[in-house]
Amino acid sequence: AQRVTQPEKLLSVFKGAPVELKCNYSYSGSPELFWYVQYSRQRLQLLLRHISRESIKGFTADLNKGETSFHLKKPFAQEEDSAMYYCALSAKTSYDKVIFGPGTSLSVIP
Amino acid sequence: DTGVSQDPRHKITKRGQNVTFRCDPISEHNRLYWYRQTLGQGPEFLTYFQNEAQLEKSRLLSDRFSAERPKGSFSTLEIQRTEQGDSAMYLCASSDTGLVLYEQFFGPGTRLTVL
Repeated sequence: AQRVTQPEKLLSVFKGAPVELKCNYSYSGSPELFWYVQYSRQRLQLLLRHISRESIKGFTADLNKGETSFHLKKPFAQEEDSAMYYCALSAKTSYDKVIFGPGTSLSVIP
Repeated sequence: DTGVSQDPRHKITKRGQNVTFRCDPISEHNRLYWYRQTLGQGPEFLTYFQNEAQLEKSRLLSDRFSAERPKGSFSTLEIQRTEQGDSAMYLCASSDTGLVLYEQFFGPGTRLTVL
C-alpha cells in the first residue's frame, strides 16, 4: 500500500533550537519524495523535493531508503517557520497524483 | 494574480443539494488535479486531467462526484445529492509536464459545508 505517515501532529520548539519533522513512507517501487508547507492563511506550496538535493529556507531532508524515511531538518528554527508541514510522495516516472501524509503543525516559540 | 484560482471559496449547502466548484489553473498548465482535505488530514487525491482527458479517478470519487475539463483549461467538480460526509476543503492544483519535475501549484481551495 502507498502511504505516508507523520507521527507527530504537533511539534513545538524554541526559536534557535534544532527542529526535525519525521516522515516515513511505504511504496512499492522508488518514489519521489517532497515536503509541502502551508503557512497561516496561505495556500499549500512545495518546500523542497528530494531529487533536487536542495536546501530551502535552511531546511534539508535526507532520504533513508533502508528506513523508508524522509525527515525534514533545520538546525536553528525561526518564528516564521511556524506552519503546517506535509510529507508527500509521487511516482517517479509519471508524477501524477501526490500522496500526502497527515501533516505536522510546527510551532516555534519566541 | 496568475496562480491557480478556485470559485467559490466557501459553499454552504443543505444535504441532498447539488454543488459545483470551478478551478482555473495556471495558464498553459496541461495537468489539473483535484484533492479533498478533511480536518486533521493531508490532502487526498481525487482525480486528475491531462488536457481534457481524465486519466485517473480515486476510489474516493463515488458516483455522485463528476469532474470535467471540457477544453483543457478550467475544470469543474460537481457533487450531486450532497451528504454531510462531503464537508471538506476541495483543493485544485495544476502542473506543466513540459517542465522538470512537474511541480504542482495549489489553489486556495473551496470549503464545503453540508448541513
